[in-house]
Amino acid sequence: GEDVEQSLFLSVREGDSSVINCTYTDSSSTYLYWYKQEPGAGLQLLTYIFSNMDMKQDQRLTVLLNKKDKHLSLRIADTQTGDSAIYFCAVIGDSGGYQKVTFGTGTKLQVIP
Amino acid sequence: EAQVTQNPRYLITVTGKKLTVTCSQNMNHEYMSWYRQDPGLGLRQIYYSMNVEVTDKGDVPEGYKVSRKEKRNFPLILESPSPNQTSLYFCASSPTVGGEQYFGPGTRLTVT
Repeated sequence: GEDVEQSLFLSVREGDSSVINCTYTDSSSTYLYWYKQEPGAGLQLLTYIFSNMDMKQDQRLTVLLNKKDKHLSLRIADTQTGDSAIYFCAVIGDSGGYQKVTFGTGTKLQVIP
Repeated sequence: EAQVTQNPRYLITVTGKKLTVTCSQNMNHEYMSWYRQDPGLGLRQIYYSMNVEVTDKGDVPEGYKVSRKEKRNFPLILESPSPNQTSLYFCASSPTVGGEQYFGPGTRLTVT
């Protein structure tokens, strides 16, 4: 099955950029998502990228996809204290002829004022 | 308002006492899924359902059951809970497997 890995913690200063990384194993992955989980809440979709794209920008968020290295990253520009949360990448891949979604371990982003 | 609801939000129970966590969505989504979230392990899929009466095991199905008798509801059943099932549980729904998933608020379960 698919393995999706993320580092567990990231600490940045307010105003700096944050880069959260994700690696996956299934080269047939079609959709790749970033979800945000605020304390005490469920996950909410932040942004996504299709596997035929290299980059997607959405206001302060930039998603980069390196298919060769199976590496996905989320860059948050001008990080704010409200960005403190856990960030999950999720990868849609093929599993025995069916599409399957696999979530990463999550990266806890701490923003220091 | 489009949403996924779960009940209860918090539950403390004892080993072996059967329990059910309900999940309901009002978006007419075909795909529904249950996850558990544990520190350092991220979100792991327990069971999923492609449509009414169609369910399948996820990555960690042992000790759990589900049913999908109606499109909107997808309850999670623990027939004989054990302490290693203490976790935070999320239900999610989406129009398709590959689409955006909408998550419920979570159910924090403690089994003593």
